[in-house]
Amino acid sequence: QQQVKQSPQSLIVQKGGISIINCAYENTAFDYFPWYQQFPGKGPALLIAIRPDVSEKKEGRFTISFNKSAKQFSLHIMDSQPGDSATYFCAASRAPRGSGAGSYQLTFGKGTKLSVIP
Amino acid sequence: GAVVSQHPSRVICKSGTSVKIECRSLDFQATTMFWYRQFPKQSLMLMATSNEGSKATYEQGVEKDKFLINHASLTLSTLTVTSAHPEDSSFYICSAANSESSYNEQFFGPGTRLTVL
Repeated sequence: QQQVKQSPQSLIVQKGGISIINCAYENTAFDYFPWYQQFPGKGPALLIAIRPDVSEKKEGRFTISFNKSAKQFSLHIMDSQPGDSATYFCAASRAPRGSGAGSYQLTFGKGTKLSVIP
Repeated sequence: GAVVSQHPSRVICKSGTSVKIECRSLDFQATTMFWYRQFPKQSLMLMATSNEGSKATYEQGVEKDKFLINHASLTLSTLTVTSAHPEDSSFYICSAANSESSYNEQFFGPGTRLTVL
């Protein structure tokens, strides 16, 4: 059972446009929602993350919008550039079980391949 | 900050041999490290969770005797693929959770491409 659903699977955006990737989750215990960017042959890099106590977080051209009641969150990339072309993964995690446990196990979406064309 | 390294970046081995992959957190302490496997054009599949000083917790379907994980220090975890076979060929990625972060963010290594001939 996939707990984090991500869409679209692929996205083509014109340079300067806005890229929007959506994710929906099922587990209401999730309380941490990061986005990762992955280039071919590389490991994922943490891009931006949000907690449920805020509805939006912005860092530069990247914004996360969070809708707790709908259990949805999205990544907006403003002024998209060819260098943004990569695969983006949303993820979610919950607080670790047990005292002293540091294991925030991430549940990933299936990824979105973004292509920004000149 | 928050740099995670992996070594080697790529390895080719013969079927039946064992391969060890190292994962290091370079500038922070990681109580917990995770090992993932990623197939082409797919998402990351969690293999196991490794807590420093204790046995790793493996996900369902992952053979613990085949994928040996050791997390002997707060900055180093190793994954050993024992008696590797061609079907073990994959991209293996580790991540480290920053113990001092209130959100316990995970930072990923660059990955290791394993090819078993």
